[in-house]
Amino acid sequence: RKEVEQDPGPFNVPEGATVAFNCTYSNSASQSFFWYRQDCRKEPKLLMSVYSSGNEDGRFTAQLNRASQYISLLIRDSKLSDSATYLCVVNKGGSYIPTFGRGTSLIVHP
Amino acid sequence: GAVVSQHPSRVICKSGTSVKIECRSLDFQATTMFWYRQFPKQSLMLMATSNEGSKATYEQGVEKDKFLINHASLTLSTLTVTSAHPEDSSFYICSARETQGEGGFTDTQYFGPGTRLTVL
Repeated sequence: RKEVEQDPGPFNVPEGATVAFNCTYSNSASQSFFWYRQDCRKEPKLLMSVYSSGNEDGRFTAQLNRASQYISLLIRDSKLSDSATYLCVVNKGGSYIPTFGRGTSLIVHP
Repeated sequence: GAVVSQHPSRVICKSGTSVKIECRSLDFQATTMFWYRQFPKQSLMLMATSNEGSKATYEQGVEKDKFLINHASLTLSTLTVTSAHPEDSSFYICSARETQGEGGFTDTQYFGPGTRLTVL
């Protein structure tokens, strides 16, 4: 089992739709979790940190389920500009080694 | 968020030359920086972890003699691709770890804009 797994997609949704991505992780000692977005040929940019039971930032909501070892990202009212690859990052405690998922591609169409 | 710069943004060089890439944290001190490589349509691959004042920790399969990392200050890490070959052509991205302890602990990494290396 890979350390961090994501459905690569692509998720193809119309504007205004709600879309959710999941990311599973294998190491139960993982302590911090993040969602990044990466546009084509650009660097990843931090979207949200997920430290405890989850958090919300505008149209974006991230949830953490430690029992089942997954985090999720919910995007409401999708915009064309949300089209990107969404990367899940999991940090193990102690040595702080970030592990990236392969990313989930989202395409929002008119 | 915190700002990380990377220079140069694009390099085209001949096979056999060495290329140096700089990564700077502009508004915070970073004791830890990371170097990644990303091939087209593939995920980020961690190459090495760079700690200020000590030797870098390389991931399995990454040649430390080929990819020289120096983290001489809290705001600068450099990656030198020695004797570059066409198979080294890739998108190299650095990130810097920011930790803040006041008013709530945060531990986040911020990415530089990347360096696109093309070896002819």
